[in-house]
Formats: sequence, C-alpha cells, structure tokens
Amino acid sequence: DAKTTQPPSMDCAEGRAANLPCNHSTISGNEYVYWYRQIHSQGPQYIIHGLKNNETNEMASLIITEDRKSSTLILPHATLRDTAVYYCIVRDGGSQGNLIFGKGTKLSVKP
Amino acid sequence: DSGVTQTPKHLITATGQRVTLRCSPRSGDLSVYWYQQSLDQGLQFLIQYYNGEERAKGNILERFSAQQFPDLHSELNLSSLELGDSALYFCASSVFGGKETQYFGPGTRLLVL
Repeated sequence: DAKTTQPPSMDCAEGRAANLPCNHSTISGNEYVYWYRQIHSQGPQYIIHGLKNNETNEMASLIITEDRKSSTLILPHATLRDTAVYYCIVRDGGSQGNLIFGKGTKLSVKP
Repeated sequence: DSGVTQTPKHLITATGQRVTLRCSPRSGDLSVYWYQQSLDQGLQFLIQYYNGEERAKGNILERFSAQQFPDLHSELNLSSLELGDSALYFCASSVFGGKETQYFGPGTRLLVL
C-alpha cells in the first residue's frame, strides 16, 4: 500500500502557484519523497525528490516539513499544461527500487 | 522525451492470444521496470530486471513473463489474455535499480476483445 495521503483533487487558476500537499506520517529516516505526474494517459513524468532539505528545480519546488511527516509540491506559475494527476511517493533508499503509486491528486488548472 | 521507448503504442487482440511488448531503456540505464495501469487498480509494479537478471517481482500474474536481453532491452510477454488484461503497460528505466530516479516510457495500450 502507498505510504502517502493526498487530496483526490484540486483546482488552480492559470498563472497562480499550485501547492499540492502530501502526508507521509510513517516515513522513516532513509526514505525519500518523490513526486511524479501523469498527464492524461502518458507515462509518469519525474518532477522532483528530496530527503530532508527543500529542493528546487526548473519544474517545481519541494518543501518538506522539519519532522518529515508531510511535504508540499509547489508549481510556481501553473499553466494549462500542468493539468495532470500528481503522485507523491515515499521510497526506500535500499536496493529494491520499484515505485508504489497511490491514487494521487488530480490538479485542474483553469483559465 | 524521457529517452525510454516502447513499442507498439497500441495493441488490439483477442482473448486467449499472446502478445509481446518491447521496451528500450535510456542509454546507460541497466535496470528496467514494468508497470501496469488499469482503470480499477491504478499503477502497479509488475517486475524489475537489472543487467539481464530478475531483481524484484510485484503483482505479476503467472501468465505474464519478462526478460531483459544482453543489449538491455526488455520484453514483457502476456499470454492466455483475458478481458481484464486490457490496460496501459509502462516501462521505466534507471541506472542501477536502487534509489535513483526512474524514467518512464510512453506506454503500450493493450485492448483485449
């Protein structure tokens, strides 16, 4: 089972920041938080990941709380093309690498 | 473009038949993963290969099998197909198969009639 809880859906106005929350209260010390998104029925697209510190790349920012029990993915200026299902995944840093997907959050960016 | 390629894009077949899905990983990646996405089950891990060897198994049916070849491409074989096998099948690859990032291909849509 997925180790994360996400809201099933969210709306965001085009050009505004989209803040997608994720709860992972049972995360352990060596587990990473990964975010992927799936646009329509395309292959999941890697967005960002982090362990303890906040991370930023060209796509998004990831804010992880100090106790690591929750995180927020931030898309700073959402566009219509950001409409997708966003998956937050907690992942063991060990040798077995498969991803366990939950139901994710359906983000709808509206004009 | 993730660099992972999958063929075919679409496949329509009949119950009882056998099909083969193909995946080419990103250049330099040694590990390949197969996932199935159906409407009722979501994205589920099937099997992982690393450098030609099976490394991990998930919810893969006995009717399904996979292999990874010396050139690192992988094939997923689905046999005795049932209506419920209709789904999207995704391949992902990563460098070593541990904690590093996986990159997904565009998928193969299988429809069993």
